[in-house]
Amino acid sequence: AQTVTQSQPEMSVQEAETVTLSCTYDTSESNYYLFWYKQPPSRQMILVIRQEAYKQQNATENRFSVNFQKAAKSFSLKISDSQLGDTAMYFCAFMVSGTYKYIFGTGTRLKVLA
Amino acid sequence: GAGVSQSPSNKVTEKGKDVELRCDPISGHTALYWYRQSLGQGLEFLIYFQGNSAPDKSGLPSDRFSAERTGGSVSTLTIQRTQQEDSAVYLCASSLEGHRLYEQYFGPGTRLTVT
Repeated sequence: AQTVTQSQPEMSVQEAETVTLSCTYDTSESNYYLFWYKQPPSRQMILVIRQEAYKQQNATENRFSVNFQKAAKSFSLKISDSQLGDTAMYFCAFMVSGTYKYIFGTGTRLKVLA
Repeated sequence: GAGVSQSPSNKVTEKGKDVELRCDPISGHTALYWYRQSLGQGLEFLIYFQGNSAPDKSGLPSDRFSAERTGGSVSTLTIQRTQQEDSAVYLCASSLEGHRLYEQYFGPGTRLTVT
């Protein structure tokens, strides 16, 4: 069975600083996708970034980037130049290609401090 | 365009009552998911609909839970004989076929409280 682990329940970062959120997963599959989703206090989840396991290059989306270590089954999210609007719960998610069944971690609550 | 909508936004019900939660996906999205988010927990997969295929119900926690998707669009999640442990936020998400299939668009959720 696949599992996703986020070992940091809460984190905080000063505005304009950089923060890294950790995620590890366990699977015997070789083709899969990894995601980071953000859930602001308003509750609506939005996709932050996606990584295909077959791609070696780390995905980036503006201030958000990932460090994907396939052998180590690690998928961390780096937020650069943190902004107050980045305050949210961040969920790491995993999906085996073709199954359409997402497995989510328990989330990391990030607070950006002014 | 309009995003995924869910109703009601909040529902308080007495233990033993039945509840219906509604999800309106983004127009044209063929895939629809239901998740349950309990306090301090991640998202728990409940059920998945894709086009006209039989739904994947493997995540439904008991036979008190059921879901329908009519006309490939609106979906209703029904919980019969509610229990206090059913209290949670129920999230719906939809996604589009093709290369964007793996990107889910979430609704705001329905917060269910069973008293």
